[in-house]
Amino acid sequence: DAGVIQSPRHEVTEMGQEVTLRCKPISGHNSLFWYRQTMMRGLELLIYFNNNVPIDDSGMPEDRFSAKMPNASFSTLKIQPSEPRDSAVYFCASARDRGGYTFGSGTRLTVV
Amino acid sequence: QQPVQSPQAVILREGEDAVINCSSSKALYSVHWYRQKHGEAPVFLMILLKGGEQKGHEKISASFNEKKQQSSLYLTASQLSYSGTYFCGTEINNNAGNMLTFGGGTRLMVKP
Repeated sequence: DAGVIQSPRHEVTEMGQEVTLRCKPISGHNSLFWYRQTMMRGLELLIYFNNNVPIDDSGMPEDRFSAKMPNASFSTLKIQPSEPRDSAVYFCASARDRGGYTFGSGTRLTVV
Repeated sequence: QQPVQSPQAVILREGEDAVINCSSSKALYSVHWYRQKHGEAPVFLMILLKGGEQKGHEKISASFNEKKQQSSLYLTASQLSYSGTYFCGTEINNNAGNMLTFGGGTRLMVKP
């Protein structure tokens, strides 16, 4: 298996622009998570999907953030409009039932 | 609420042992342990379910004391490859699924 695939690996954008991060989970995994990692705040859970349904989005910072999972093999995290404080590494992870997580390689987002 | 890890950082010589602790203020269903190397994604090491079990993976093992809501990771006869940041992820004891809240991490450096 190719593992969890995220794209792009790096994204540099200007403040105010829309950013879309993409994730392909491992086939057969029914849970998908979006995390954000910064030095100051560590690994923060943004949103959790189970069987393509959003279960908990309490970690989404504000209305500028939205996430979708239209099918079992694809999810997006969108930031509109982006701000410099959104700069971070964004990880997507998938898991089967209550098993261990497999993380993608992450997207390093820089908003200037 | 984020679990508390201690110590925040450890420096070892090859062959020495270390213990990393993870403590939660909430009743836990499971504890996960991950290792992250610089610039990479976290990698799953092991999961411990409530029941006070202890698990091992080569020279890395862990225990979970459900009553104390604590877990410890034991690294014996450390190797250079053990260097990285170790995170515990805790799943609270509810029906919300397998969302993990991660601790702040313990940075481990193994020197020759």
